[in-house]
Amino acid sequence: SQQGEEDPQALSIQEGENATMNCSYKTSINNLQWYRQNSGRGLVHLILIRSNEREKHSGRLRVTLDTSKKSSSLLITASRAADTASYFCALRMDSSYKLIFGSGTRLLVRP
Amino acid sequence: EAQVTQNPRYLITVTGKKLTVTCSQNMNHEYMSWYRQDPGLGLRQIYYSMNVEVTDKGDVPEGYKVSRKEKRNFPLILESPSPNQTSLYFCASRSPGGDEKLFFGSGTQLSVL
Repeated sequence: SQQGEEDPQALSIQEGENATMNCSYKTSINNLQWYRQNSGRGLVHLILIRSNEREKHSGRLRVTLDTSKKSSSLLITASRAADTASYFCALRMDSSYKLIFGSGTRLLVRP
Repeated sequence: EAQVTQNPRYLITVTGKKLTVTCSQNMNHEYMSWYRQDPGLGLRQIYYSMNVEVTDKGDVPEGYKVSRKEKRNFPLILESPSPNQTSLYFCASRSPGGDEKLFFGSGTQLSVL
């Protein structure tokens, strides 16, 4: 499968802790994006990292990309209850504009 | 406000009864797409459109039709719905150039009995 494999499938942490979720893939990519989905609502774009980038930051989010290992991680620092959601990685292959989504990580942040 | 508007939010229908899910965006995006989301399977692309009158199949197009007569609208048509099309559907449009950000609608939960 070309889609990203996300790990873990589910994660439960205490408010204030950091949350790390990972995405691995098999083919070469042009970019990798992370999206958040709140309980069955539409996905919201969080961050995009290109294949020639290794790390990007956006507020409390930090994304890394290791193209040699074909993996990416999303770190949410100082988590809040409002961060409770599902998080998806989406891959854009070199040969296509199509985005292929992983099956997601469900994050629960306990107050 | 920039947004993608989908309607209806919930729809219950019976097998074989034609239905249309509407999608409209106000951002003048050329690219629009439909996805379905099923538990454990992530989002799978049904159809996409690169511009007006240009549509193409995604990964799971069987049983669906689309049209793109105007840039802002991209309706999804189920001519003869079946129970295996029970799913959560999302429309999305994409910002142009290097941004490539997808903007999603709020979703349509479809149940086919």
